[in-house]
Amino acid sequence: DQQVKQNSPSLSVQEGRISILNCDYTNSMFDYFLWYKKYPAEGPTFLISISSIKDKNEDGRFTVFLNKSAKHLSLHIVPSQPGDSAVYFCAASFMNRDDKIIFGKGTRLHILP
Amino acid sequence: GAVVSQHPSRVICKSGTSVKIECRSLDFQATTMFWYRQFPKKSLMLMATSNEGSKATYEQGVEKDKFLINHASLTLSTLTVTSAHPEDSSFYICSARTGDLKNIQYFGAGTRLSVL
Repeated sequence: DQQVKQNSPSLSVQEGRISILNCDYTNSMFDYFLWYKKYPAEGPTFLISISSIKDKNEDGRFTVFLNKSAKHLSLHIVPSQPGDSAVYFCAASFMNRDDKIIFGKGTRLHILP
Repeated sequence: GAVVSQHPSRVICKSGTSVKIECRSLDFQATTMFWYRQFPKKSLMLMATSNEGSKATYEQGVEKDKFLINHASLTLSTLTVTSAHPEDSSFYICSARTGDLKNIQYFGAGTRLSVL
């Protein structure tokens, strides 16, 4: 049973435009949500996170939106740059529990010139 | 952000040998480290949770005698793949948690293991 779902395996966006990566989850008890970026043959890099008590968190070009009623979150990247081409993993965790992070399957983002 | 170092980045070994992978938190103390495995075009699969000074907690389906984990200090955890076989060839990644309430894990660069 997949608790964190990224239904789009890939996404192509023109350079300079907005990239929107989507993620759905099934467990309403998650406390924290995270986005990681991964290049081939490298470990994931933490990008941005959001607590379940908030609906938006912004850091530079990256903004994460959380819709708890829909159990949906999204990562917005604007403007998109060539270096943003990577696989993006959505993840969720419980605070004060067993510390596990549950990852989605990832979405490969291609930034087109 | 916090820095996690993983070594080696790539290892090629013969079938039947054992391989040790190190994971170090360089600028923070990590009471908990995690070991993941990534298959081609798949998500990260959590193998085990490693707690300093105690036995690792393995996920269902992961052989603890095959994948030995030692977390001897607050900055070092090791994963030993014992009697490696070609099917153990994969990309292994460690991560460490900073211990604050945000539960952010910082990842090492990964180790590509190829068993001949």
